[in-house]
Amino acid sequence: DTGVSQNPRHKITKRGQNVTFRCDPISEHNRLYWYRQTLGQGPEFLTYFQNEAQLEKSRLLSDRFSAERPKGSFSTLEIQRTEQGDSAMYLCASSLGGASNQPQHFGDGTRLSIL
Amino acid sequence: TQLLEQSPQFLSIQEGENLTVYCNSSSVFSSLQWYRQEPGEGPVLLVTVVTGGEVKKLKRLTFQFGDARKDSSLHITAAQPGDTGLYLCAGLQSYNNNDMRFGAGTRLTVKP
Repeated sequence: DTGVSQNPRHKITKRGQNVTFRCDPISEHNRLYWYRQTLGQGPEFLTYFQNEAQLEKSRLLSDRFSAERPKGSFSTLEIQRTEQGDSAMYLCASSLGGASNQPQHFGDGTRLSIL
Repeated sequence: TQLLEQSPQFLSIQEGENLTVYCNSSSVFSSLQWYRQEPGEGPVLLVTVVTGGEVKKLKRLTFQFGDARKDSSLHITAAQPGDTGLYLCAGLQSYNNNDMRFGAGTRLTVKP
């Protein structure tokens, strides 16, 4: 399977704990994106990387959120001191460049539930 | 308010019927993507439209990008239960190709 891979698929944790998610993009894709999706809504952009550089962050990405892509391949998204409002599906996508005709391909997401 | 408004929000039809769902905005997009998402899974790309007025067909699905690149429609002919899912449109804004905005989706149910 050469698609975008995310793990874990599900994460249940208590409020106040830290969580980390991993995304492995399609291997030749140099762009990697993180989104958050809540029930009844479409995905909302959080941040994106061009290779290892984090080039843009949404205002949705509070200081409790941090993302890395240290070698320009896989990426991690960490949420510190989780809050109940962080419960959502966290989606990763990758694309080959940023041209308008280069679509983003999504993984199946990590569903986070905060107790 | 959503940058992209999708309508209807919910649609339930019988197998064999035709349907059209809409994606509208006041903003211009350099491209627009349609995705289908099933519960517990990520969105799966159906099509990308780039040129104003462009029409693309994918088997029973016909996608149209408005002339002004502000809106799009998806028409399904002879819907089947396998078409059931959440249909999302997403646009790349003309001034920022890195910022893809999604609509809230149309949840389609096709009953056998």
